Amino acid sequence: AAGVIQSPRHLIKEKRETATLKCYPIPRHDTVYWYQQGPGQDPQFLISFYEKMQSDKGSIPDRFSAQQFSDYHSELNMSSLELGDSALYFCASSLESGDTQYFGPGTRLTVL
Amino acid sequence: EDQVTQSPEALRLQEGESSSLNCSYTVSGLRGLFWYRQDPGKGPEFLFTLYSAGEEKEKERLKATLTKKESFLHITAPKPEDSATYLCAVQAGGKYNFNKFYFGSGTKLNVKP
Repeated sequence: AAGVIQSPRHLIKEKRETATLKCYPIPRHDTVYWYQQGPGQDPQFLISFYEKMQSDKGSIPDRFSAQQFSDYHSELNMSSLELGDSALYFCASSLESGDTQYFGPGTRLTVL
Repeated sequence: EDQVTQSPEALRLQEGESSSLNCSYTVSGLRGLFWYRQDPGKGPEFLFTLYSAGEEKEKERLKATLTKKESFLHITAPKPEDSATYLCAVQAGGKYNFNKFYFGSGTKLNVKP
């Protein structure tokens, strides 16, 4: 069965640079969620989209923005990167808003 | 305040030694409770969804149960390949936050052969 696809899988950036993470949900899933997971921590909810509109917002810094496109894929844009942004970033998708979330393999971002 | 607490933080078992993991929650209007398994450096893998008190679900050596205040993940005769971090997540109801999932901090399970 098709799963959530994230790209890139690994990303290394310098401080103050920008990064764009991409997420391709499971086919027919219309809801996408973004999470940040630091070492040894549980996933922290950042933001979610339902039918291409932002549906909920968690602890997402103002330096980050995201959107969901007409094909339902989503992009997380991160600017003015800081060392503390180094983490695993997961995308999850669900068939309907509020349904079970299925996670992608994650993007490991390292900020030097 | 909505909150999810998992215990214990870490659990060491011998192969074949059954045990239970706990997830207690305080949320305004539970819409669903989810169990995930996470291996290091990988995305959480979905295990179970429970919606109402009294509900039980099973998959191989795992069985999840739900009450009004907590959920248990029972592991029967575990094997070393069951070693992982088990995450509990709760979906809160309410008009403005039904899309928000609250994760617990997880239980790191280590099963020794």
